[in-house]
Amino acid sequence: SQQGEEDPQALSIQEGENATMNCSYKTSINNLQWYRQNSGRGLVHLILIRSNEREKHSGRLRVTLDTSKKSSSLLITASRAADTASYFCATDAAPEDSNYQLIWGAGTKLIIKP
Amino acid sequence: DSGVTQTPKHLITATGQRVTLRCSPRSGDLSVYWYQQSLDQGLQFLIQYYNGEERAKGNILERFSAQQFPDLHSELNLSSLELGDSALYFCASSAERGRASDEQFFGPGTRLTVL
Repeated sequence: SQQGEEDPQALSIQEGENATMNCSYKTSINNLQWYRQNSGRGLVHLILIRSNEREKHSGRLRVTLDTSKKSSSLLITASRAADTASYFCATDAAPEDSNYQLIWGAGTKLIIKP
Repeated sequence: DSGVTQTPKHLITATGQRVTLRCSPRSGDLSVYWYQQSLDQGLQFLIQYYNGEERAKGNILERFSAQQFPDLHSELNLSSLELGDSALYFCASSAERGRASDEQFFGPGTRLTVL
């Protein structure tokens, strides 16, 4: 069963605005990752945040993690047309030693309007 | 370009047939993962191999099988194909310990259409 659930399922904003996507999960995790997928293409890793981290930045991306709420958010600032894609969160499940499988959410489809 | 290659890019076949999808991981990566993505759906993890051995199994049907060869390339075999098997099939590889915390590098996918 899917562990991660993204919210919203789809998001359409104007270029230049900020986009926020959320991911909720069910069990304790060691890490949470965000990936981007351009239409029909392979996924690209964006950022990994560990369970003992609360916030992480990478360029225009900001990821937060709230383990008490079992949720994460991905913020893309100053959006560009090239950010149009689907965004997926993926989680593992503690304990790490016995865990090899990522659990994927259904994704948020982001459309940036010029 | 992730460095992961998949062939073929497109495959059209009929119900009941068998196909083989091929994946070459990034140079030096020991882990290979196979995923299925149906239209506008999330990823379904199928199976993972690490250095030639099966490491984790997801929602892989009995009609599907996979293997990883000594040169680390992997093949996914789909048999007795059904219309519902039409999907994008992705291969990914990772470098480190083959664990869920690793960053995965995805290939461009094989689009399978079953008519």
